[in-house]
Amino acid sequence: AQKVTQAQTEISVVEKEDVTLDCVYETRDTTYYLFWYKQPPSGELVFLIRRNSFDEQNEISGRYSWNFQKSTSSFNFTITASQVVDSAVYFCALSEAPFNKFYFGSGTKLNVKP
Amino acid sequence: DAGVTQSPTHLIKTRGQQVTLRCSPKSGHDTVSWYQQALGQGPQFIFQYYEEEERQRGNFPDRFSGHQFPNYSSELNVNALLLGDSALYLCASSTTDFYGYTFGSGTRLTVV
Repeated sequence: AQKVTQAQTEISVVEKEDVTLDCVYETRDTTYYLFWYKQPPSGELVFLIRRNSFDEQNEISGRYSWNFQKSTSSFNFTITASQVVDSAVYFCALSEAPFNKFYFGSGTKLNVKP
Repeated sequence: DAGVTQSPTHLIKTRGQQVTLRCSPKSGHDTVSWYQQALGQGPQFIFQYYEEEERQRGNFPDRFSGHQFPNYSSELNVNALLLGDSALYLCASSTTDFYGYTFGSGTRLTVV
């Protein structure tokens, strides 16, 4: 069974629009971490946000915000006022104890047009 | 402070050959993990090294092997290359006080 599902394969928006990327995860562990990474064309995965399973407080960091809901096993990520530089593939990832290997979703390609 | 460094950046090999990819972790990191990312897919966990030993392995055949050196750097070896091994290979490092992984830019392997 797939542990992380990103149902949106590709999203296109116009600059300054808000965009939400969806992520649904599956785990039996009570302690786990959820992440969002950005992968520009250069290939490097860039860390964006991290959440542990005990902290459902949703936060805003600059133009980024996230909505973590354990009841629905969802960890959605929102970019406010999108910019062309936000164009990339975004991955949601789950890590479980004890060694925290990542389970990645299949990624959502975000195209921000000027 | 350098992040994760991988070499080479690109590589072309012939089916049946062997390849070695290299990774230097971020300063202060002692754990190295390797991931394979096929085109259009999310990365898949290959294995993780800590204290020079393989501590966890994903669903990859024995043709994939690795090593970690005393300075925490690591190598990924793939024997008897198949066309399906063509992918971006990502190295990620972390500390035992896990906050997340720092990823390198990867090695793009093409098998022809």
